Amino acid sequence: GESVGLHLPTLSVQEGDNSIINCAYSNSASDYFIWYKQESGKGPQFIIDIRSNMDKRQGQRVTVLLNKTVKHLSLQIAATQPGDSAVYFCAENNQGGKLIFGQGTELSVKP
Amino acid sequence: KAGVTQTPRYLIKTRGQQVTLSCSPISGHRSVSWYQQTPGQGLQFLFEYFSETQRNKGNFPGRFSGRQFSNSRSEMNVSTLELGDSALYLCASSPGSGETQYFGPGTRLLVL
Repeated sequence: GESVGLHLPTLSVQEGDNSIINCAYSNSASDYFIWYKQESGKGPQFIIDIRSNMDKRQGQRVTVLLNKTVKHLSLQIAATQPGDSAVYFCAENNQGGKLIFGQGTELSVKP
Repeated sequence: KAGVTQTPRYLIKTRGQQVTLSCSPISGHRSVSWYQQTPGQGLQFLFEYFSETQRNKGNFPGRFSGRQFSNSRSEMNVSTLELGDSALYLCASSPGSGETQYFGPGTRLLVL
């Protein structure tokens, strides 16, 4: 398959710290990128997105950075809270409704 | 607006059987995409439907099929179930093809 999920990277942070989750995407033709948060037993929840004509976009406590030169995407979460604990997926899009997902990163927030 | 709903939420089947899963998109959304999520392969795209037509298809065997109705509701069907089909099946809707996708809670299928 196009998405590999053999081993989930884990990021552990202290409550109140900033978190940075990284993602490498595969297709230089991809023009739309999305970050999703998935909590146990739930479907992925939309966090923030960015188009390829931008390199930075900010939301509430979250920032997405896009580096097209090295095909890299990052999600920054400010003042991380216990409720932010989840698995975070990046996804790229270049064909209509087909999203290609990264393997995911598990974020663990210690109180 | 109500979110994406999927039924049933849980399902247990035996090998060789077939199964039909249902997805109701967010009101006004016309595109529905389906994904399979497993611990080993992660999230993989199955297919997308827009205006009752399949727009994109992932790398899954022909046992996996779907359709979309005129009210944008979608169903996917898996025939001749195999143990490896055990997974969480997720449906996502968007206003149009290529726009932001919003996911439902998924249907967890267990094949025995």
